[in-house]
Amino acid sequence: QQPVQSPQAVILREGEDAVINCSSSKALYSVHWYRQKHGEAPVFLMILLKGGEQKGHDKISASFNEKKQQSSLYLTASQLSYSGTYFCGTGGPDKLIFGTGTRLQVFP
Amino acid sequence: DGGITQSPKYLFRKEGQNVTLSCEQNLNHDAMYWYRQDPGQGLRLIYYSQIVNDFQKGDIAEGYSVSREKKESFPLTVTSAQKNPTAFYLCASNPAGSSYNEQFFGPGTRLTVL
Repeated sequence: QQPVQSPQAVILREGEDAVINCSSSKALYSVHWYRQKHGEAPVFLMILLKGGEQKGHDKISASFNEKKQQSSLYLTASQLSYSGTYFCGTGGPDKLIFGTGTRLQVFP
Repeated sequence: DGGITQSPKYLFRKEGQNVTLSCEQNLNHDAMYWYRQDPGQGLRLIYYSQIVNDFQKGDIAEGYSVSREKKESFPLTVTSAQKNPTAFYLCASNPAGSSYNEQFFGPGTRLTVL
C-alpha cells in the first residue's frame, strides 16, 4: 500500500522551515526520502532504518517512529534550491513503495 | 563515471505499437527497478529484478514486460496491451536489492503515445 504524505504542497519564503510527513499502514524496514526537480531523476536525501540508524546528508534531518510507522523530514532555513517534489519510500525487504509526493516551493 | 543511463530521453510512438525502453548501469548493482510516474502521482513500481534471469511484478505490471539477461541491463517493453502508456519512466538500481540501501535513478524516458 502506498504511504500517505502530508501536506500535499508547501509554499515557503527563503529561510523558513517546513516539515513533511509520511505514514504507512504496514510495518517498515526502512524509510527513504528523495527530492525530484521537474523532469529529472529523484535525488537521494536520507534513509532511516529500524533501530535508529540513519544515512544521508548532513543538512537534512528526519525522524522515524517505528511503532507509529511514520517518518518526518525536517527542512530548516530553506533555500531556493530546496524547491521540488519530495517523496518518501517505505521499504519492505526487497523493494520500495513511494508516496504521492509533497510539492515544495521556496520563494525569495 | 558510474551511473545509470536511459535512452532515449524522449520517445514517441503510435498507438498499438510495442516500444522498448533501455536501461543500463555500470555500478555493478544486483537489483534493478522500473517505475512509472504520472503528473501529480508518485513513482509506481512496474517490475524489479534482484538477480540475472529473475524478475518480479510490481504494482502495475499489466501491459509491460522485462528481461534481465545481463547484470548491467534491464530493458522494459511497453506493449500494446498497456491502456495508457504515456508517462515518465524511471529506471533505478540498488547494490544488493535491499531497502536498507539507497536507490540510484537514471535520468528517465518520457514516452508519448500518439
